[in-house]
Amino acid sequence: DAMVIQNPRYQVTQFGKPVTLSCSQTLNHNVMYWYQQKSSQAPKLLFHYYDKDFNNEADTPDNFQSRRPNTSFCFLDIRSPGLGDAAMYLCATRQGVQETQYFGPGTRLLVL
Amino acid sequence: SQQGEEDPQALSIQEGENATMNCSYKTSINNLQWYRQNSGRGLVHLILIRSNEREKHSGRLRVTLDTSKKSSSLLITASRAADTASYFCATATGANSKLTFGKGITLSVRP
Repeated sequence: DAMVIQNPRYQVTQFGKPVTLSCSQTLNHNVMYWYQQKSSQAPKLLFHYYDKDFNNEADTPDNFQSRRPNTSFCFLDIRSPGLGDAAMYLCATRQGVQETQYFGPGTRLLVL
Repeated sequence: SQQGEEDPQALSIQEGENATMNCSYKTSINNLQWYRQNSGRGLVHLILIRSNEREKHSGRLRVTLDTSKKSSSLLITASRAADTASYFCATATGANSKLTFGKGITLSVRP
């Protein structure tokens, strides 16, 4: 089945230790998103790729970076995780002419 | 700033009853979407209503949109225990239809 896959489902890192979360999709969608969702809060858009074009939200901290080496994969790099970065990170995809976003299961990040 | 605000924040009903959830927003939208999230999981798209539409149905779901009041409601009829989840409204705005989510409504359906 076509889907959005996020690995790992749970990630534990240490304060200040770089961490990378990954997302892959078999939907061949040209738009990919990263959201941060803290406990009992709304998902918050960090950035998205429209094809190869990177679009950063104005309030996304510089600590967060992203890479999209090809259509199928997108990575979220947190350069120096702080305790406040503990959250669920959701990847989503969309085909440009459609309006529905398809979400992966998320990666829950714990920062010790 | 928050675009979508859901109401109530939490809802507890008996299986078989209907659940009504409301969402208000602040700016003009392209469309409004409702998503469901089971605990610790990703979001699942339920239904989309465009700004020129007033009502849509999908199975046991009915969504309405009132652009003059900038509000939407999601009705789940004949609820089931499996409907227990958090429900989010999300408004799509701008040329790229960026989604802005509300904080969500926690629905508990008692068997």
